[in-house]
Amino acid sequence: NAGVTQTPKFRVLKTGQSMTLLCAQDMNHEYMYWYRQDPGMGLRLIHYSVGEGTTAKGEVPDGYNVSRLKKQNFLLGLESAAPSQTSVYFCAARVGSGEQYFGPGTRLTVT
Amino acid sequence: GEDVEQSLFLSVREGDSSVINCTYTDSSSTYLYWYKQEPGAGLQLLTYIFSNMDMKQDQRLTVLLNKKDKHLSLRIADTQTGDSAIYFCAESSYASGGSYIPTFGRGTSLIVHP
Repeated sequence: NAGVTQTPKFRVLKTGQSMTLLCAQDMNHEYMYWYRQDPGMGLRLIHYSVGEGTTAKGEVPDGYNVSRLKKQNFLLGLESAAPSQTSVYFCAARVGSGEQYFGPGTRLTVT
Repeated sequence: GEDVEQSLFLSVREGDSSVINCTYTDSSSTYLYWYKQEPGAGLQLLTYIFSNMDMKQDQRLTVLLNKKDKHLSLRIADTQTGDSAIYFCAESSYASGGSYIPTFGRGTSLIVHP
């Protein structure tokens, strides 16, 4: 039981490049979330999903897209990366109102 | 939008008690959480309290909730160097569409001196 895993762990992109971050969970949780964490800013919600095939915008969705084609996977896409998207990205999965289980994070640098 | 506020830093000596405070604005919060983040890792749930409770104790951890003042605190007894981490307060309320959207504070960096 791996919980929540994220791929890749680290990535360096040039401005304008695209990439997809993969989040996978093996706990059969309905809710999944993508956050970004920046120094002094805490966690900010980018997008979330309440179930397979559904997505919704969070606090800071601009520049990102997501998809939840399978219940266990939640993908975060950057179509044209910008230096402002340099951050640590965390995925989380959750059942109802209960605990969120976080992945280990993806450290992304955009040059 | 809803807001969760906490102080950014706390420094204590090993063996002392640590108290981390948090205030929130959403009066409809149903769950309030404390998460711990160690360097280079994701967040892990430490403890949580339901909004109809005043206090919850779990070994060295005591959570106090003052719902009237919208104030939450986490007390760590006999603080150890291994408790050094960032502690996040979070609240969860029921959003439209049937989802719970948690709001996190900015985190309090706890530094424990030997």
